[in-house]
Amino acid sequence: DAGVIQSPRHEVTEMGQEVTLRCKPISGHNSLFWYRQTMMRGLELLIYFNNNVPIDDSGMPEDRFSAKMPNASFSTLKIQPSEPRDSAVYFCASSRTSFYNEQFFGPGTRLTVL
Amino acid sequence: SQQGEEDPQALSIQEGENATMNCSYKTSINNLQWYRQNSGRGLVHLILIRSNEREKHSGRLRVTLDTSKKSSSLLITASRAADTASYFCATDGGDMRFGAGTRLTVKP
Repeated sequence: DAGVIQSPRHEVTEMGQEVTLRCKPISGHNSLFWYRQTMMRGLELLIYFNNNVPIDDSGMPEDRFSAKMPNASFSTLKIQPSEPRDSAVYFCASSRTSFYNEQFFGPGTRLTVL
Repeated sequence: SQQGEEDPQALSIQEGENATMNCSYKTSINNLQWYRQNSGRGLVHLILIRSNEREKHSGRLRVTLDTSKKSSSLLITASRAADTASYFCATDGGDMRFGAGTRLTVKP
């Protein structure tokens, strides 16, 4: 099993640009999570999908952030327009059944917005 | 939503010593999980303990849960330099959030 795959691993962009982060969950997992981690705020849950449907997006910081899961094997997190305060490591995680079971994390995407 | 709160924020010990980290939470839970994060990496699940369990072991890890005190502890016995990482607890109770973590440093 390849584990959760995220791309790109590093992204450097300028303020105002659109950023798209990608995630491939583990095959057979029904739940997918996007997290953001910074020194100041720690690990924050942004959004949670179950069976490709967004269940809880209360953690999405503002309208500049959007997430989609068009099928069971792919999800994107988009920031448009990006701002320097969006700089963080973004993690995708998946779990077999639900929010409350073991989550498998991807390696993360380190985003720097200049 | 609620989240676990780990204590202490940082812990430094010598290799071979035991390390104990604590987690407190505020409302009722169904389960509590512990994760480890090595620097620059994603979190790795260590152990899950259900609300009707009091203690659970996995290798050198021992987790206890006291639902009356709304707290859990993670004990790592005979620590190794490779155990150096941040440790997080996560609780559900209808919503799952991670605490700020305990940064463990094991000196060789």
